[in-house]
Amino acid sequence: DIQMTQSPSSLSASVGDRVTITCQASQDISNSLNWYQQKPGKAPKLLIYDASNLETGVPSRFSGSGSGTDFTFTISSLQPEDIATYYCQQYDNLRFTFGPGTKVDIK
Amino acid sequence: EVQLVESGGGLVKPGGSLRLSCAASGFTFSSYSMNWVRQAPGKGLEWVSSISSNSNYIYYADSVKGRFTISRDNAKNSLYLQMNSLRAEDTAVYYCARVFASSWPDYWGQGTLVTVSS
Repeated sequence: DIQMTQSPSSLSASVGDRVTITCQASQDISNSLNWYQQKPGKAPKLLIYDASNLETGVPSRFSGSGSGTDFTFTISSLQPEDIATYYCQQYDNLRFTFGPGTKVDIK
Repeated sequence: EVQLVESGGGLVKPGGSLRLSCAASGFTFSSYSMNWVRQAPGKGLEWVSSISSNSNYIYYADSVKGRFTISRDNAKNSLYLQMNSLRAEDTAVYYCARVFASSWPDYWGQGTLVTVSS
């Protein structure tokens, strides 16, 4: 089974800061990597699919990059509404694995 | 507008059974694979099961294999999860999600809470 790790597990940043989250797969997954945002009490929301593609309607301050085993998720300028937990997720023929999540809050 | 509405959650005793449903609307249900994903209280997301559009391909997480059964009725635009031999560690909010291009879950329901406790 493919395992996913994320770092950091949590972070505090100021409004306007650049925020970066990393995700690592236990084996090569090419670009089969998605990123989700989840706010408390809400369902996850797809932000990035196939490692670097921005989902329709998602603000351009969100971006993703990487391939193989190492991936990066970036918020270019943190906004108050970005307070949430972010998850990476790999997929392989309808089997999915989530990373443990990164909790982002405002300093 | 794509809508996914889960139902069927509730309180059940260890060893008991429960059947979750997910009613889909706003898209051609029969064209999409579907997922169940769960989240234990205060924990992260865990993929549970997937089913292809025509039910030919079905997959389960090891944690539920042999106890849970995913199914769908394309005529009724509905997805199901039959959960048997429930354990305390199955306590979670269960989400159904549409899977775009069999690759990324793009629309999610609001979730239904399953509590396994005596």
